[in-house]
Amino acid sequence: EAAVTQSPRNKVAVTGGKVTLSCNQTNNHNNMYWYRQDTGHGLRLIHYSYGAGSTEKGDIPDGYKASRPSQENFSLILELATPSQTSVYFCASGTGEQYFGPGTRLTVL
Amino acid sequence: GQQVQQSPASLVLQEGENAELQCNFSSTATRLQWFYQHPGGRLVSLFYNPSGTKHTGRLTSTTVTNERRSSLHISSSQTTDSGTYFCAIDHNTGNYKYVFGAGTRLKVIA
Repeated sequence: EAAVTQSPRNKVAVTGGKVTLSCNQTNNHNNMYWYRQDTGHGLRLIHYSYGAGSTEKGDIPDGYKASRPSQENFSLILELATPSQTSVYFCASGTGEQYFGPGTRLTVL
Repeated sequence: GQQVQQSPASLVLQEGENAELQCNFSSTATRLQWFYQHPGGRLVSLFYNPSGTKHTGRLTSTTVTNERRSSLHISSSQTTDSGTYFCAIDHNTGNYKYVFGAGTRLKVIA
């Protein structure tokens, strides 16, 4: 099974601050994804990537940027964090079948 | 856009009982995946099943593509099956974007 790791696992940020969430995968998948999950809901796609240098907007991209500097790494960037971005963030890689990281719990105060 | 509806929203079973979870979607699915989310949050892929029937252990997934539905059957449920089950659909052949249902929360009691 693909190995997808995320860091940090937990983060507390202040409103207006910059937050970077990192994701690394070791199975050479071209596609990587960032989702958020809010309490009691399914996952919603924020940004995704088809490979190094590529980023695409998902279904809820507002307030987020993404960066894919290499095949292995995909970052989600909140330039000006807001309390509404408090959530659990999941990274995934794969195409037909997706493999998920353990998640990052972000709290914006 | 693509709609994915899961039912029931929640379910409580006595250990040993069977469960049938449903997933209905608004457009033909090119790709379909069932996930299990541990109570602690970890997401695990159960099945990649865009059509037909697949089995693993006590789990069976059946997708009927032209009827735009999929089911997940859990037989002889155990307390460790407790958690949330998600169905995710990709109906576009080009960009591999999944849309998730809201999930079915399952609790199995001893």
